[in-house]
Amino acid sequence: AQKVTQAQTEISVVEKEDVTLDCVYETRDTTYYLFWYKQPPSGELVFLIRRNSFDEQNEISGRYSWNFQKSTSSFNFTITASQVVDSAVYFCALSELVRSNDYKLSFGAGTTVTVRA
Amino acid sequence: DGGITQSPKYLFRKEGQNVTLSCEQNLNHDAMYWYRQDPGQGLRLIYYSQIVNDFQKGDIAEGYSVSREKKESFPLTVTSAQKNPTAFYLCASSKTDRGYNEQFFGPGTRLTVL
Repeated sequence: AQKVTQAQTEISVVEKEDVTLDCVYETRDTTYYLFWYKQPPSGELVFLIRRNSFDEQNEISGRYSWNFQKSTSSFNFTITASQVVDSAVYFCALSELVRSNDYKLSFGAGTTVTVRA
Repeated sequence: DGGITQSPKYLFRKEGQNVTLSCEQNLNHDAMYWYRQDPGQGLRLIYYSQIVNDFQKGDIAEGYSVSREKKESFPLTVTSAQKNPTAFYLCASSKTDRGYNEQFFGPGTRLTVL
């Protein structure tokens, strides 16, 4: 079963529009961690944000914000006032304990974001 | 600068050959990982290591082998037993495998079987 689902395959916007990326996860753990990573055309994944399962406070960091809702198992990510440099593939990931002291990171399939000038 | 290096960037292999992908990190991280990425899919874990001289299989370990003789290095060998090895391979590291530590990724190696 898919642990992390990113229903949006591709999103295309015009510069300065906001972009919201959806992420739904599945876990039986009470302690887990959620991440968003960005993969630009160069290929290297870049860490963006992290949230643990005990902290549902939503935050804003620069042009990035996220909405974590345990009740719906969702961890959505928003880019405000998008720029061409935001064009990339964005991955949502879930880290959960698989056995003692052994965590595993499960990735969604990714959402390709294209920002047009 | 601290970071993760992978080499080569592009690798071509003939069927039946073993090839080794290099991964080196100077971040002083204990944990290292190998992922495979196929078009339109997320990353899938091949092998990981939490400490020198120890490693664990991930979800798709068949046809791959690794070693962890040094903290800084975690090479991946793609053997001839891997039936469909053409993919993008990413190496990562983290402080520990405690779940909350973000993983840092290398630039990747694109392997093509001719």
